[in-house]
Amino acid sequence: ETGVTQSPTHLIKTRGQQVTLRCSSQSGHNTVSWYQQALGQGPQFIFQYYREEENGRGNFPPRFSGLQFPNYSSELNVNALELDDSALYLCASSLMTGGGYTQYFGPGTRLTVL
Amino acid sequence: DQQVKQNSPSLSVQEGRISILNCDYTNSMFDYFLWYKKYPAEGPTFLISISSIKDKNEDGRFTVFLNKSAKHLSLHIVPSQPGDSAVYFCAARSDRGGSNYKLTFGKGTLLTVNP
Repeated sequence: ETGVTQSPTHLIKTRGQQVTLRCSSQSGHNTVSWYQQALGQGPQFIFQYYREEENGRGNFPPRFSGLQFPNYSSELNVNALELDDSALYLCASSLMTGGGYTQYFGPGTRLTVL
Repeated sequence: DQQVKQNSPSLSVQEGRISILNCDYTNSMFDYFLWYKKYPAEGPTFLISISSIKDKNEDGRFTVFLNKSAKHLSLHIVPSQPGDSAVYFCAARSDRGGSNYKLTFGKGTLLTVNP
């Protein structure tokens, strides 16, 4: 039990629609990262937010965007959904300090795009 | 361009024996490595990590070995238990240059421990 929660658990959308996924970080954590895990693949880094600002981004187009709120909860928004966006979306929270840190994952949201 | 590779998609071992999961990496900037375990319908769970300044880290039944010259790490589970059956992901990151936000994952290895 990591204390990281995500909603919804499952979601079905059609191509072209927009979707918002939500994440609640572990208490005390100030950083949230989002990953996309396609079937048979490892998680791929989308972006990270630290203190409400984007702190780094992977190779994902601008239609993937995010927000982090003052209470450190977070949203992932995907516009103009494509079939290839079907995947498990994972958020991970961590406490960013000067040294190393570990990311703790939530259970994920399974998105299906038809 | 896969920077973290887990070349064995699956591994099957008998309960009580040793499980050895392997991981190779190509990016010499990686200096921190982690192993995660994932059950179906759950998110990855952190298991154990190792910094590049060490060559071994142990936590109970789990030991991770790092061979920097070979760019290779391995996770040993001794003794293996049926509850260890899961997908194991190797992940790496670079803590240099302010880029320590991103984990790069392998594709995972499905471990099955038979009673």
